[in-house]
Amino acid sequence: EVQLVESGGGLVQPGGSLRLSCAASGFSFSSYSMNWVRQAPGKGLEWVSFINHDGDTTYYADSVRGRFTISRDNAKNSLFLQMNSLRDEDTAVYYCSRDTWSDWGQGTLVTVSS
Amino acid sequence: EIVLTQSPATLSLSPGERATLSCRASQSVGSSLAWYQQRPGQPPRLLIYDASKRATGIPARFSGSGSGTDFTLTISSLEPEDFAVYYCQQRSNWPLTFGGGTKVEIK
Repeated sequence: EVQLVESGGGLVQPGGSLRLSCAASGFSFSSYSMNWVRQAPGKGLEWVSFINHDGDTTYYADSVRGRFTISRDNAKNSLFLQMNSLRDEDTAVYYCSRDTWSDWGQGTLVTVSS
Repeated sequence: EIVLTQSPATLSLSPGERATLSCRASQSVGSSLAWYQQRPGQPPRLLIYDASKRATGIPARFSGSGSGTDFTLTISSLEPEDFAVYYCQQRSNWPLTFGGGTKVEIK
């Protein structure tokens, strides 16, 4: 069974940093590209970032480019999202998803507030 | 950036009725369009990919159609568990984008 479990969310002040993790199991993690998607409270879905299977290709939404960095550790079956210079508008539930888009974690809540 | 416009924003229907949801793209996405269902407190669930292919385990009452800029998700006969929010997503161009969603509510 495919499992994706996000962690690392929490309350952070504007301008602060946070690192999200996504632990993957039940499939060959190193064979799949991965994505981060977020959802602000009561709002729709927003794609955030993509990384290919070996980590040498990444893409970002304009809203996070230059502030967020996606990475992965295939030896540890883990996906990461380093979030710097956080803003109020980054407040959201952050989901990781396998690039088949059929598998999603339950999400981790990031709250940016003073 | 490709903008996806979903309509209507809210659809009020009764169980057993047919639901027709629309997604229009600001430029052609070919057939690279997916549909998701999201229930409160849950992650999105993939229903349809490549515009018309049902994902694994998705009931036959869900169908997708369209290509280019105009797409439709049809639920042939609403079951109680189908009342939820539905999103379309294009995977043709970076950045990937989602539509704003259509809420299907019980009338």
